[in-house]
Order: sequence, then C-alpha cells, then structure tokens
Amino acid sequence: NAGVTQTPKFQVLKTGQSMTLQCAQDMNHNSMYWYRQDPGMGLRLIYYSASEGTTDKGEVPNGYNVSRLNKREFSLRLESAAPSQTSVYFCASSVAPGTSGGYEQYFGPGTRLTVT
Amino acid sequence: AQKVTQAQTEISVVEKEDVTLDCVYETRDTTYYLFWYKQPPSGELVFLIRRNSFDEQNEISGRYSWNFQKSTSSFNFTITASQVVDSAVYFCALRRVGGGSNYKLTFGKGTLLTVNP
Repeated sequence: NAGVTQTPKFQVLKTGQSMTLQCAQDMNHNSMYWYRQDPGMGLRLIYYSASEGTTDKGEVPNGYNVSRLNKREFSLRLESAAPSQTSVYFCASSVAPGTSGGYEQYFGPGTRLTVT
Repeated sequence: AQKVTQAQTEISVVEKEDVTLDCVYETRDTTYYLFWYKQPPSGELVFLIRRNSFDEQNEISGRYSWNFQKSTSSFNFTITASQVVDSAVYFCALRRVGGGSNYKLTFGKGTLLTVNP
C-alpha cells in the first residue's frame, strides 16, 4: 500500500497563476482532508470531504477550491495564487467516524508551494 | 472552541536522556480524542497514538509512553532513553467525537525535539 500520495512535491508559482494539487489514497478511506502548515502556526484545515460527493470548508478556505473526484482522489485548486499561500500543503485521509479504528488521520508527504 | 497548547517550542537533550513533551488542551466536550504525531526532518507526518477521553489508562510502547490526565486536561508524551532518530517536531492534536464539522483535528503548534549524540 502506498498510503496517501501527493503530487507535485515542490512547486513555484508566480502571483496570479493557478494550479491543482493532487492527492490519492489507497486505504479505502471515506474521509479526506487538506491542511496547510506554516511556521509557528501548526496545521490548519483548509477543506475536508467527509465522504465521496461531499466537501466542506475548514478554518482557512479562502482562495482555495476542492474536488472529491472519487473515493480515492481529492484535489485542491488555487485559482489565483498569492504570496500568502506560500506554505506546505498536506493531504490526509481517515475512515469514517464510528468505524472501528477510526478518527486518526493518515497524512501524505506534503507539497511545498512557493508563490513569488 | 477547542485549543491545544504545547508550551515547549524547542527542547534539546543529549542521547539517552529521558524527555517529556507537554500537551494541554481545552474543550467543552465530555468525550473527545487526543493524538500525537511525529514530523521528522523529512517532513511527513507520522501518526503515533490515539487516546479516547473515556479511557485514562496510560500507555507504553517501547521507549514511548503517554500520560493522560483528564483532571488537568493534559496528555504528555515521554521518550525514555532518547535517540538521535527521535529528533523531530511532535504535534499534539484534539478532535471531537462525531461527524459533520467535528472532523477537524485541532493541532498544537508543535515542539521541536533535538537529540544530540
């Protein structure tokens, strides 16, 4: 099992450019998440998808959109990148709450994004 | 609102020393989940442990142990006989029970542990 995979690993964008971060999991998890990690801020939730076909905003959704393409894949799109979106982005997945062994989230390796 | 505080920003120890990482949380819920994650220099986040609020039994896994005290809202993590490979940022996190917006993990800001040879 590869677990949670993310592409790309690194990306540099100019202000105003758009891009999509891809995430896939092979653990048959129902729920998927996007976080950003900034120095001194810990991890903050951008968007999440409780199950296939649903998405909801997290703490810091402004400037982002998401698509839950199917049960395996959850993408994050920056429509018009800004320097404030320079960060490390993590995708995570988990089984649905109430399921045995649920609640903990498993993370991908991250995407380091720089917006100049 | 939920909050997780890791007051120790950085800790530096010498190999084989024991070290405790503190985690204090705030929540109005009576049931919840607590977690510890490790982020080594390579950057990935590794799940270490989940603790249910209704189970106050402490847990030991090899050199790692966790002390959960509901009365003081703390969930501390001790590494015994630390090793250089333990050098990482450690995050404590809190999550409500149930679905909907409760899916969110609330993270502390992390503690950077450096173990020197």
